[in-house]
Amino acid sequence: ETGVTQTPRHLVMGMTNKKSLKCEQHLGHNAMYWYKQSAKKPLELMFVYNFKEQTENNSVPSRFSPECPNSSHLFLHLHTLQPEDSALYLCASSQDQTGGGRAYGYTFGSGTRLTVV
Amino acid sequence: AQSVTQLGSHVSVSEGALVLLRCNYSSSVPPYLFWYVQYPNQGLQLLLKYTSAATLVKGINGFEAEFKKSETSFHLTKPSAHMSDAAEYFCAVSDVSDKVIFGPGTSLSVIP
Repeated sequence: ETGVTQTPRHLVMGMTNKKSLKCEQHLGHNAMYWYKQSAKKPLELMFVYNFKEQTENNSVPSRFSPECPNSSHLFLHLHTLQPEDSALYLCASSQDQTGGGRAYGYTFGSGTRLTVV
Repeated sequence: AQSVTQLGSHVSVSEGALVLLRCNYSSSVPPYLFWYVQYPNQGLQLLLKYTSAATLVKGINGFEAEFKKSETSFHLTKPSAHMSDAAEYFCAVSDVSDKVIFGPGTSLSVIP
């Protein structure tokens, strides 16, 4: 148990489907992150939320839509994805995004393995 | 701009041998430095971190890393490799910009 729970663990979806990834943490953290991990590529930061406000969007295509209803929950809504979007999607949390918060490091979930067919 | 390089995308060691995974960073200010480990089909787990206290940092599972400012390095070591150490290892750096940059990762194989 890592403290950050991601569901589902595996997801297969067609290019016309709509699905959502869920991330939940009860660590009292105030910053949450979505990362994409593709084979043979470095970790790609997608979105950052700090105290429920989106603070970063790293030029992510609009077919990925994040939602952060509170500091404990983070969603990634997916629609009309492409096969190249197949990857491991990792959620992480930290105390906060700034100052001392970044010194504590991140707690990651186990990820959602997404396959787009 | 800060960056992280990890020399060697793949490292193989024999069981019981020394593990040395290299990490070099660039940062305009004293950084915070981290090592994470990722086991197959899992997320990343924090192994250890340097936050401007002792330069030799001890982490979980017998790993340690030494911050060397003059060499801008933060190499990860373990005296004796175990089969269970086989995983992907990521070095990361964070500075006052609040961005955390991850290195490309080093895959460690342990040969029985």
